[in-house]
Amino acid sequence: DSGVTQTPKHLITATGQRVTLRCSPRSGDLSVYWYQQSLDQGLQFLIQYYNGEERAKGNILERFSAQQFPDLHSELNLSSLELGDSALYFCASSVEGVQGAPTDTQYFGPGTRLTVL
Amino acid sequence: AQSVTQLGSHVSVSEGALVLLRCNYSSSVPPYLFWYVQYPNQGLQLLLKYTSAATLVKGINGFEAEFKKSETSFHLTKPSAHMSDAAEYFCAVTDLYSGGYQKVTFGTGTKLQVIP
Repeated sequence: DSGVTQTPKHLITATGQRVTLRCSPRSGDLSVYWYQQSLDQGLQFLIQYYNGEERAKGNILERFSAQQFPDLHSELNLSSLELGDSALYFCASSVEGVQGAPTDTQYFGPGTRLTVL
Repeated sequence: AQSVTQLGSHVSVSEGALVLLRCNYSSSVPPYLFWYVQYPNQGLQLLLKYTSAATLVKGINGFEAEFKKSETSFHLTKPSAHMSDAAEYFCAVTDLYSGGYQKVTFGTGTKLQVIP
């Protein structure tokens, strides 16, 4: 158990819909990362938040957005869903001090499996 | 941007045999390298990381990796495979952006099959 929790575990929805995935980081971790894992794209970094502020953006579509709340939990919002958005979505957290350490370990949650029908 | 290449999307070894999973990186600056493992239906778990302290890094579950700058490699090895090692393994490298935050880039993964 990494200490990172994600809800829900599974989500089935239809094309065109909007969903929200939730992540609670490990106690004390300030950074939250979102990743998408699919068969054709592999594991892709989407976005990072540090203490409520966006820090880095990866291959995140404009239809997707995220935020980190004052209690440090994070939500990933996916809208206008397409079949190709079906994937495993992982959240990870790390301590990451003010300057950030490139050696900070990221702890991954169990993931949310999204199926778009 | 830094990147990693994992040679072989699938590797099969016999139980008790040597495990060797290959990872090469491209980097213009000293890299920070990681190996993660993903068991079926689970998230990723850190196996080990290279932080420039020692070139031979020991991780959990008997795995180790050696950083070879001349070969730009960070291959993962284990002397004797166990059935429980069957999983997917990801090599990763960190980009350090100005301001001090990191972005991790993962390789495409290698699925390890252990044959009894």
